[in-house]
Amino acid sequence: DAGVTQSPTHLIKTRGQQVTLRCSPKSGHDTVSWYQQALGQGPQFIFQYYEEEERQRGNFPDRFSGHQFPNYSSELNVNALLLGDSALYLCASSLFRDRGRFGHGYTFGSGTRLTVV
Amino acid sequence: AQSVTQLDSQVPVFEEAPVELRCNYSSSVSVYLFWYVQYPNQGLQLLLKYLSGSTLVKGINGFEAEFNKSQTSFHLRKPSVHISDTAEYFCAVRNTNAGKSTFGDGTTLTVKP
Repeated sequence: DAGVTQSPTHLIKTRGQQVTLRCSPKSGHDTVSWYQQALGQGPQFIFQYYEEEERQRGNFPDRFSGHQFPNYSSELNVNALLLGDSALYLCASSLFRDRGRFGHGYTFGSGTRLTVV
Repeated sequence: AQSVTQLDSQVPVFEEAPVELRCNYSSSVSVYLFWYVQYPNQGLQLLLKYLSGSTLVKGINGFEAEFNKSQTSFHLRKPSVHISDTAEYFCAVRNTNAGKSTFGDGTTLTVKP
């Protein structure tokens, strides 16, 4: 049973560069949400994708953008990297609707550890 | 807007002792409530969730939580902890009308022999 797969697991970038992180959702899930987890803090919501559209967005600048593909996989792009973007980036997949309710169960990937130097 | 407050940043406890991790939330609308566990260098794993119905929710690994609407709390409990329960625990709240989950800052549970 394939869970959520994220790649790469680690990467180091220089300030000002751009980065792309990738996520394959759990089989059967159609919604992907991205979270940023800084050291010692809880995950912060970046945005959510469903049907290839951004459905909701957290308090992150436009430097953060994303995409969802027809196979439900997703990418997170961050432009003009800052030192403060160093964090663990988590992808969470879910069902948009689950037995009549809006989807409520996240399955998380193990994350991508981004270090900006 | 929603918010989650985890009242204890660190909870040390001896093996086989009971433990309670406290979580209060604030929301103007109906919510779902969750507890997740995170082991070092891993993603979050769902422990349990409250959607509706019985206010006492049982989850994996012997954990349970009780939803208290009047006190807007969702405390996590385990009657007897093991060394392997040492991890970071996160409480989260989500609007029932879909959308994002809001997480607390986490509680580090350390189980000592």
